[in-house]
Amino acid sequence: DIQMTQSPSSLSASVGDRVTITCQASQDISNYLNWYKQKPGKAPKLLIYDASNLETGVPSRFSGSGSGTDFTFTISSLQPEDIATYYCQQYDNLPPTFGGGTKVEIK
Amino acid sequence: EVQLVESGGGLIQPGGSLRLSCAASGFTVSSKYMSWVRQAPGKGLEWVSVIYSGGSTYYADSVKGRFTISRDNSKNTVYLQMNSLRAEDTAVYYCARGTPYENWGQGTLVTVSS
Repeated sequence: DIQMTQSPSSLSASVGDRVTITCQASQDISNYLNWYKQKPGKAPKLLIYDASNLETGVPSRFSGSGSGTDFTFTISSLQPEDIATYYCQQYDNLPPTFGGGTKVEIK
Repeated sequence: EVQLVESGGGLIQPGGSLRLSCAASGFTVSSKYMSWVRQAPGKGLEWVSVIYSGGSTYYADSVKGRFTISRDNSKNTVYLQMNSLRAEDTAVYYCARGTPYENWGQGTLVTVSS
């Protein structure tokens, strides 16, 4: 199975800050990497697919980059509604695997 | 509008069986990959199973031989039959549409406990 190592596991930032989360795959996954946002008690929501494509309706302050084994997810200006846990997920190979999640809080 | 509604969760004793349902609207389940993803209390996301549009099915090693994914095109519903349940199967179970997972249901909680 492909292991997805996501960091940090949690972070605290101020409103308006730039926030960056990284995800490293244990082998080359090309660009088959997605990012999801999950609020407590809610289902996850797709934000970014294929490493860098913004899902329809998702604010442009969210972005993703990378290919191969190293990927980055960025919130350019953190907003209060961005408080959530974010997960990366690879789908290059079965089984699809998720990173451990990054809990984002407001400082 | 695409909607997924899961049902069938509950409290079950170890060794028991449950069948989860995922009723879809706004699209046909036979046209999309449909997956089950679970989340144990306070933990991360774990893929469980997928049924492809062509009908092929795949499972996580942790559930292989115990869980079965299927669909009923006439009811536009996907199922997850769960047998020989264990305490470690306790989780919220989500169904998800497509790959990547474009849409998710609200989840249904399965608790395996005596």
